[in-house]
Amino acid sequence: AQSVTQPDIHITVSEGASLELRCNYSYGATPYLFWYVQSPGQGLQLLLKYFSGDTLVQGIKGFEAEFKRSQSSFNLRKPSVHWSDAAEYFCAVGDTGTASKLTFGTGTRLQVTL
Amino acid sequence: GAVVSQHPSWVICKSGTSVKIECRSLDFQATTMFWYRQFPKQSLMLMATSNEGSKATYEQGVEKDKFLINHASLTLSTLTVTSAHPEDSSFYICSAITDGTFGYTFGSGTRLTVV
Repeated sequence: AQSVTQPDIHITVSEGASLELRCNYSYGATPYLFWYVQSPGQGLQLLLKYFSGDTLVQGIKGFEAEFKRSQSSFNLRKPSVHWSDAAEYFCAVGDTGTASKLTFGTGTRLQVTL
Repeated sequence: GAVVSQHPSWVICKSGTSVKIECRSLDFQATTMFWYRQFPKQSLMLMATSNEGSKATYEQGVEKDKFLINHASLTLSTLTVTSAHPEDSSFYICSAITDGTFGYTFGSGTRLTVV
């Protein structure tokens, strides 16, 4: 069964600083990987996804992620964080064999200081 | 873009009563919908997969008789929490496949509090 690990429960960065959120996955084949963002009391918004091809994926809101098969990682990055980026971020892996199920990591809460 | 409308946004109910949560696809047909549960400061756990016109598929450990899922049309799936207890208090989120295999749109969630 697939699994996702987000090692950092909580990260605090200053506005304007760069950001990297870590995600490691376990999956038998080539994974489908996703990053979602959740504001308090809200649903999830897709930031970006990787299915195949270029391992550097560009998403919305200036985010990007890089798929590294050798490290089983799919880390999310942003060069300059804005205060509005404060939220919960979830990495997820898609199970291609089971009705498109998503398995989520435990999430990383991002706090942005001014 | 595709929109999934989830209602209510929040609900408070007494222990022992039942609560229905609706998830509607507003501008597309959703053959498959997913129901998740999220405890405070935790991740989303898939409860069940709902397919239009057929029985839902529940994840291991989820009580199908307690969490009734109905997907009677291509635009509506409902989750009914029967005989709710305080431990059922949680944030419930639905999602629908909107684009290919892994194009999802999520509802805004329902905060259920059982008192």
